[in-house]
Amino acid sequence: AQTVTQSQPEMSVQEAETVTLSCTYDTSENNYYLFWYKQPPSRQMILVIRQEAYKQQNATENRFSVNFQKAAKSFSLKISDSQLGDTAMYFCAFMISQGGSEKLVFGKGTKLTVNP
Amino acid sequence: GAGVSQSPSNKVTEKGKDVELRCDPISGHTALYWYRQRLGQGLEFLIYFQGNSAPDKSGLPSDRFSAERTGGSVSTLTIQRTQQEDSAVYLCASSFQYGGYEQYFGPGTRLTVT
Repeated sequence: AQTVTQSQPEMSVQEAETVTLSCTYDTSENNYYLFWYKQPPSRQMILVIRQEAYKQQNATENRFSVNFQKAAKSFSLKISDSQLGDTAMYFCAFMISQGGSEKLVFGKGTKLTVNP
Repeated sequence: GAGVSQSPSNKVTEKGKDVELRCDPISGHTALYWYRQRLGQGLEFLIYFQGNSAPDKSGLPSDRFSAERTGGSVSTLTIQRTQQEDSAVYLCASSFQYGGYEQYFGPGTRLTVT
């Protein structure tokens, strides 16, 4: 079974500090994609970062970066210089592409609160 | 440009009634997805459309759920004889095509079954 586990239901961080959100996944595939999505109270899902499994280099997007450990099946998200607008639910997701179909499998999410 | 749009934003219905939820994907996107998000949970895959290919319906939870995509664009998710456990946010997403591309999500429809 393909699963995604986020072990931290809630986290908080002070503004301007750094926080790391954990994610592990389970798959027997060798080529796949991993994503972090952000869902603020507005309910809109917004892509934060995308990682291709065959690329060893960790993806970065401004203040957001990942630590992708393929052998350990770990995909953590680091947010640097946290801002109040980063307060949201964060979902780790794994993309399965099989037989001409594809879908995202999501973890249960981590609720991040950035405190002033 | 315009993003993915969904209507209605909120829907309250009585148990046993049928509901239709609509999704307008980004123009030019060939792949379209429906997900369900129960309160406090992650998203669950429901159905995937790619161009004119047969859809992947493997995530539909029961035969009360169906979806169609007309002309490779607009999609409608229909839930017949709604039950209270169908209460959730239903999210639609589209992507450029098959192959690991980013999925762009709509704002969702919050369905409440009373």
